[in-house]
This record gives sequence, C-alpha cells and structure tokens, in this order.
Amino acid sequence: AQTVTQSQPEMSVQEAETVTLSCTYDTSESDYYLFWYKQPPSRQMILVIRQEAYKQQNATENRFSVNFQKAAKSFSLKISDSQLGDAAMYFCASQGGSNYKLTFGKGTLLTVNP
Amino acid sequence: DADVTQTPRNRITKTGKRIMLECSQTKGHDRMYWYRQDPGLGLRLIYYSFDVKDINKGEISDGYSVSRQAQAKFSLSLESAIPNQTALYFCATRPTGEGFTDTQYFGPGTRLTVL
Repeated sequence: AQTVTQSQPEMSVQEAETVTLSCTYDTSESDYYLFWYKQPPSRQMILVIRQEAYKQQNATENRFSVNFQKAAKSFSLKISDSQLGDAAMYFCASQGGSNYKLTFGKGTLLTVNP
Repeated sequence: DADVTQTPRNRITKTGKRIMLECSQTKGHDRMYWYRQDPGLGLRLIYYSFDVKDINKGEISDGYSVSRQAQAKFSLSLESAIPNQTALYFCATRPTGEGFTDTQYFGPGTRLTVL
C-alpha cells in the first residue's frame, strides 16, 4: 500500500520569490516513481515534474526542482521565480506496484501575490 | 503528451439515471485509467485497463462499470446515479514502449452533478 501526505493545505508566495511545497510518502515498493501535478482553475491535471526513485539526482524542469530524500521518504517541490501563472492546486503522487496506479496526496493550494 | 479527450465536459443528471462518460485518446497508449476527484480528497482510482481485454477494479469501483471498446476508447458508466457520485472525473492514459512509460497523462475532466 502507498500513502502520500501533503501537510500544507495552502501556501502563498510573492511574485518572483521562491516557495517550497512539502510531500512525504510511504511505500513498500522497491521500484517506484514520484510526481508533482499542477491543477489550475481550468481543472486540467498537468505534469510538473517526475522523479525515478532509483536515481539519486534531483529532477529539475526549468523553474521547478525537487528535493528527493529517499531515506526520509520526502519529496518536496521548489518553485523559483514564482509567476502569477503558477497559482494552482499542486498534487504530489507516487506510483509503484504491479498495477502502477497513482496514489495522490490531498493537494496544496498555492497563491501567488503580485 | 497524450491527446486525451473527455465527453461531456459538464453534466447534470438526476438520481437514478444511467450516465456514461467517455474518454478517447489519439496517442496509441495501451493503459487507461478512470479517477474521481472530490474536494479535499485528491484523486482516487475507479478502474483501469491495460488493454482491451484487461480491465481491473480500483479502490472505489462500487457503483461504476467500464467498457474498453477499443484501444483508444474507455468509457465509465454509472448505472443508477446517486448524489454522492457528484465529483470531477478524470481519464488518464499511460504509454508503453516509448517515452516516460511510468507517467500518466490526464484528460480535461468531466464535472458531474447528480441531483
């Protein structure tokens, strides 16, 4: 079984500043993947970044990066130079096991202030 | 990314009605999924299919059924809708063979309201 916990229901950041969203997970799988998805008001689920658990190097996608701490089962998302378009609900998710289903956290609502 | 479409985008129905939500994709992905999103609960898996002949229940399949009519089409049915099935429904696909085979790509969602 997998669980994903996002302890921050809401976060806010000033435009151009940096913000970090927290995520912890638990899994019995040895092979798994971690994701951050963004859901703007349009409600589309958009992949932000993915991390393969067997890789020690933290994933980076432009202004988005993760801090993956495997031993601590922590997977935080850092958004640098925040933009108004980053305002959205952010979901952390894990995937592993024979059916490869995604297990989602409950989300963090990010507000970007101008 | 997968080109995943869902119809309808919004639907209001009454208790006891049968309703079908449709999902189509054009990228040739074998694996397809149906999720439900409720406020404060994230997304939960209803059903998933690895190919036309392989359909599996997810964690909240009661009250739902699915049909994989073709590789590209995966429909979700509510045989007798009830108000607590009011939610946002997402279809997702996942590639095999090439690309990020661990990554699921989502459709735009269907907002369903059961009165």
